[in-house]
Amino acid sequence: EEQLVESGGGLVQPGGSLRLSCSGAGFIFRSYELGWVRQAPGKGLEWLSYINGGGDTVYYADSLKGRITVSRDNANHALFLQMNSLRDDDTAIYYCVLVRHAFDIWGRGTMVTVSS
Amino acid sequence: DIQMTQSPSTLSASVGDRVTITCRATQNIGGWLAWYQHKPGKVPKLLIYKASILQSGIPSRFSGSGSGTEFTLTISSLQPDDFASYYCQHFNTYSPGFTFGPGTKVVVK
Repeated sequence: EEQLVESGGGLVQPGGSLRLSCSGAGFIFRSYELGWVRQAPGKGLEWLSYINGGGDTVYYADSLKGRITVSRDNANHALFLQMNSLRDDDTAIYYCVLVRHAFDIWGRGTMVTVSS
Repeated sequence: DIQMTQSPSTLSASVGDRVTITCRATQNIGGWLAWYQHKPGKVPKLLIYKASILQSGIPSRFSGSGSGTEFTLTISSLQPDDFASYYCQHFNTYSPGFTFGPGTKVVVK
């Protein structure tokens, strides 16, 4: 069974940085495109980034372009999201997703709180 | 950039009702649309992809239709487990786009 588990969330001060990780299991990691989605408190789902299986094609939401970087380590079945210059409105649950037909599999998410 | 809208934002319904949610794209997206269900404290669930294809394991009371700029998600007979928020998503890895709509919350009437 495919499984995604996020980690790395926590409390960070405004202007700070954070690196989220997502560990994949139960599938051939390098064969699947992956992505990141977030949901701020009381808000809807927001797509953040996409990365192909080889890691050489990435896309970002315009609203975060320049502040986030997605990468992957296929040897260790890991996906990463580096976030910089964090703001209060980056407070959210961050999900990693596995792409098959769409965003088929979701991790349980990791909470990021940006606050002083 | 392609933007997605949904209507209504909140829908009040009773068990057994037929429920329809509309999603619109600001540009023609063909059939590149997905629908998700999300309940508080739970992980979002893919219901439908490519506008009308039911994801494996999803009950047949859910259906999707549309193409181009207008799409609908229909629940033929609302069940207690269906009270949730529903999101459409422009999903296209070829001409990349992954934008979600703002969501529709289905609540008890």
